[in-house]
Amino acid sequence: DVKVTQSSRYLVKRTGEKVFLECVQDMDHENMFWYRQDPGLGLRLIYFSYDVKMKEKGDIPEGYSVSREKKERFSLILESASTNQTSMYLCASSAGTGAPDTQYFGPGTRLTVL
Amino acid sequence: AQSVAQPEDQVNVAEGNPLTVKCTYSVSGNPYLFWYVQYPNRGLQFLLKYITGDNLVKGSYGFEAEFNKSQTSFHLKKPSALVSDSALYFCAVRDGPLGKSTFGDGTTLTVKP
Repeated sequence: DVKVTQSSRYLVKRTGEKVFLECVQDMDHENMFWYRQDPGLGLRLIYFSYDVKMKEKGDIPEGYSVSREKKERFSLILESASTNQTSMYLCASSAGTGAPDTQYFGPGTRLTVL
Repeated sequence: AQSVAQPEDQVNVAEGNPLTVKCTYSVSGNPYLFWYVQYPNRGLQFLLKYITGDNLVKGSYGFEAEFNKSQTSFHLKKPSALVSDSALYFCAVRDGPLGKSTFGDGTTLTVKP
């Protein structure tokens, strides 16, 4: 089975802190994604990556950056956390290039910014 | 641009009754359609997808979905609901094989005994 793990289930940070959310997948997937999930707003794509050292902006990239130095790891960075970034963050991966492939999700990180 | 709509925030059904969770989409090309489920305190899980072929797609846990091109819909169905089906359901669409998926806002399904 595909396994996508996220470094923390719960995280509490203060406004202005730099925050790192880590995601690791163990199935040699090409594609990795970061979403945030907010009640009534569904899942919104922040950034995604099709390959190592490659990144593409999603629908709401402002205030975030990402890093993909290794194929299995995709990091989301909040350069200066703000209260409106309090949310559930979901990482996902998918296998293929050129295929309408299924995404596999991690358990999520619930981030609270005080 | 692609979009997806789940017109119902909440669906309530009695155990044993059929259930339908609605999804409509908009894409410029051929749609690739997905349903995911999120059980309480758990991550999203894939249920089923439509890529091409038969309009009726069968997935996990007895769920199925019907692709209707003329109505641009991809409603999720199950003939007999279980209390354990209670969860948050997301529809997603992608315009073609490459690129990102767009998710709906989600529909909370509650099945009462």
